[in-house]
Amino acid sequence: EAQVTQNPRYLITVTGKKLTVTCSQNMNHEYMSWYRQDPGLGLRQIYYSMNVEVTDKGDVPEGYKVSRKEKRNFPLILESPSPNQTSLYFCASSFTMHTEAFFGQGTRLTVV
Amino acid sequence: GQQLNQSPQSMFIQEGEDVSMNCTSSSIFNTWLWYKQDPGEGPVLLIALYKAGELTSNGRLTAQFGITRKDSFLNISASIPSDVGIYFCAGANDYKLSFGAGTTVTVRA
Repeated sequence: EAQVTQNPRYLITVTGKKLTVTCSQNMNHEYMSWYRQDPGLGLRQIYYSMNVEVTDKGDVPEGYKVSRKEKRNFPLILESPSPNQTSLYFCASSFTMHTEAFFGQGTRLTVV
Repeated sequence: GQQLNQSPQSMFIQEGEDVSMNCTSSSIFNTWLWYKQDPGEGPVLLIALYKAGELTSNGRLTAQFGITRKDSFLNISASIPSDVGIYFCAGANDYKLSFGAGTTVTVRA
């Protein structure tokens, strides 16, 4: 089954404690991206990757890092989480940014 | 980042009604996409538009890619209860995919 898998689905953490949210896709897609969803603001792109070892900032990259060492995986790293990073995070993949993006189930992150 | 203005922000529907929502931008896009998000799920693609002026239907849904490439609309005809959810427009150019803030559709009691 074609899917994008994010883990964990829910996470509560404390300020400053490094965390990683994993994302994996099984569709051989080249384009992957991370979004955060906040009430009234819709989906805002954090980082995107056009292919392996090619990543670039989206609209709200501050406080986040990503890596794309393999085509299928695109982890999101918060080196020192802060409360303003409390949000719902989605990973998505597609053949290109112009074609249908398949989204993961989301990760609800709370930073206290 | 690129700003997409999506309206209305929310709407109430009654079963059988036609509903419309639209997105405008100051930027030109090569692609417009419309997604729907159900509670607790990620967005799912409804319609993709690749050419200025293009009008595309998917069942009861119809969407158009504006001639100026700066706007798009989505119509839902004869709405049914399962149409409730959040609808997002998204515009893509050479480098980025940007989403609107969403239109929340709720059933009118």
